[in-house]
Amino acid sequence: EDQVTQSPEALRLQEGESSSLNCSYTVSGLRGLFWYRQDPGKGPEFLFTLYSAGEEKEKERLKATLTKKESFLHITAPKPEDSATYLCAVLLRGSQGNLIFGKGTKLSVKP
Amino acid sequence: DGGITQSPKYLFRKEGQNVTLSCEQNLNHDAMYWYRQDPGQGLRLIYYSQIVNDFQKGDIAEGYSVSREKKESFPLTVTSAQKNPTAFYLCASSMRGLLNEQFFGPGTRLTVL
Repeated sequence: EDQVTQSPEALRLQEGESSSLNCSYTVSGLRGLFWYRQDPGKGPEFLFTLYSAGEEKEKERLKATLTKKESFLHITAPKPEDSATYLCAVLLRGSQGNLIFGKGTKLSVKP
Repeated sequence: DGGITQSPKYLFRKEGQNVTLSCEQNLNHDAMYWYRQDPGQGLRLIYYSQIVNDFQKGDIAEGYSVSREKKESFPLTVTSAQKNPTAFYLCASSMRGLLNEQFFGPGTRLTVL
């Protein structure tokens, strides 16, 4: 069964304390992996797409990396406005565009 | 301003009533999707459509129906057959092509009383 697992479920950081969020996947074949940010009561906001192992993408304090089994979202020197739930999703080979989502990691950054 | 709109933001209905959620996009995207989000669970796909007048069931289509008569619109009807309809519903769209990212609307929170 295709599965996406995110860890930890929740993460509390002090402002400026860097850390990483994990997204591990066991799927029949990966076409792409997506990271989203979701604020409470709102729709997910697209962050990154990664297509192949070894690929990295950056945006401000965020950096996403991909291996053959997992992806990491690194947050460098986070600020309180980075507090949100971060969602990981995979697109399978042979699918018609439907994503499989993990349950998310809720990040809280305290000033 | 290009984007995806969903209406209403909050919706309350009595048990046994059908209700239709609206999703409109002006991004000229071909594909549209409906997801359901419950506390502590990942987003789950209800229905998706790659082109006008065609749509496919997702993982949890039972108790839901959709139509795709226009490229810009993909309404979702939650029928009385859906056993647990209270949830946060999210609509998304993407360019045609499997590697194109999906962009989400603001969501509709449906509460069935």
